[in-house]
Amino acid sequence: EVQLVQSGAEVKKPGESLKISCKGSGYSFSNYWIGWVRQMPGKGLEWMGIIYPGDSDTRYTPSFQGQVTISVDKSIRTAYLQWTSLKASDTAMYYCAIKGEPGGGVAGYFDYWGQGTLVTVSS
Amino acid sequence: QSVLTQPPSVSGAPGQRVTISCTGSSSNIGAGYDVHWYQQLPGTAPKLLIYDNNDRPSGVPDRFSGSKSGTSASLAITGLQAEDEADYYCQSYDNSLSGSVVFGGGTKLTVL
Repeated sequence: EVQLVQSGAEVKKPGESLKISCKGSGYSFSNYWIGWVRQMPGKGLEWMGIIYPGDSDTRYTPSFQGQVTISVDKSIRTAYLQWTSLKASDTAMYYCAIKGEPGGGVAGYFDYWGQGTLVTVSS
Repeated sequence: QSVLTQPPSVSGAPGQRVTISCTGSSSNIGAGYDVHWYQQLPGTAPKLLIYDNNDRPSGVPDRFSGSKSGTSASLAITGLQAEDEADYYCQSYDNSLSGSVVFGGGTKLTVL
């Protein structure tokens, strides 16, 4: 069974750093792109970026480039989303999801999603 | 402002048919990229509903169907049920944004 299990909810202060995780199981981890999606409270889905675990090829949507870092440790089948200095506007639910087909380019659908990690940034 | 445009809300009575539109441009849907649809029930992660314009993953009822034409796509739901009340998002790929996945703004379906 394919599963993506995300790390638990976080409460942080502005300016703090944070790294959340997404652990995959039940599939060939290295061969499927893993993307990250932001959902701010009461708002829609926003694509942040994506990484290919096989070679760590990473792409960011322009609005998130330089704001976050996406990384992966394929030895433990885990992808990460990281901030160096959080802002109140980073308060959101963050989802990871895997592309439905192995390899290839970034275009495609995402058929398995993590349960989400709620990040709250407040002073 | 989302790259793909969806109506903020649609509604229908149980048993009725509703459609949700997704309008893009020549750099995404019009460029031939496939459209996919997700259903998000309150408090849950998105779930893939339709992929590659009109295919359904295993387990998705055939009451849900998708279509694509030109720079637009549509999701149709027939035989509306109370459990269909959710947010629906279209998704595609855009080749003008350094190559990026793009979502529609989402549509809230209310079952009257």
